[in-house]
Amino acid sequence: GQSLEQPSEVTAVEGAIVQINCTYQTSGFYGLSWYQQHDGGAPTFLSYNGLDGLEETGRFSSFLSRSDSYGYLLLQELQMKDSASYFCAVCNAGKSTFGDGTTLTVKP
Amino acid sequence: EAGVAQSPRYKIIEKRQSVAFWCNPISGHATLYWYQQILGQGPKLLIQFQNNGVVDDSQLPKDRFSAERLKGVDSTLKIQPAKLEDSAVYLCASSLYVGGGNTEAFFGQGTRLTVV
Repeated sequence: GQSLEQPSEVTAVEGAIVQINCTYQTSGFYGLSWYQQHDGGAPTFLSYNGLDGLEETGRFSSFLSRSDSYGYLLLQELQMKDSASYFCAVCNAGKSTFGDGTTLTVKP
Repeated sequence: EAGVAQSPRYKIIEKRQSVAFWCNPISGHATLYWYQQILGQGPKLLIQFQNNGVVDDSQLPKDRFSAERLKGVDSTLKIQPAKLEDSAVYLCASSLYVGGGNTEAFFGQGTRLTVV
């Protein structure tokens, strides 16, 4: 089976940097994905790490350490619109198993 | 490019009734998923199709849930009979995945089901 752990809530102020951690236990693993979901909206893909290291996409970066079964999503220059839920997901055989998400609240 | 289309957006039914959800994936996407998302939780995979074949339905409660993907395009998910605990958002997603690692999925807006 697979299990993922991420903090349930994080709060930060506009302009700050926040890191959302994800640890996983899995019987099969190709990579780790991150999704963003606004209230009432659809999850949208942010990033994928198949190899160890850092992937950068604009203000968002994602990191993976396969040996530690650990990854994180780094959000820089936070904006109010970044308030949302963020899910890490283990990718295996074409499917994603999601954690229960981290609710990020960005305050002015 | 059109996204994943789902209907209806909302549905309220009484327990023991039946309900069906429809999904039209992004054109050309071979893989289609149905997820169940209970409030405060992450999406949970119910079933994965590749073209019109089932790849994984290990978490689908087959005594009451069924799904099909005709001609490898549109898909329907049915619940019969519904229980109170089926109240959730049902998300359809599609991807280009046909092997390898990255399974970037594109999600529809979902159907919010309330069972009373």
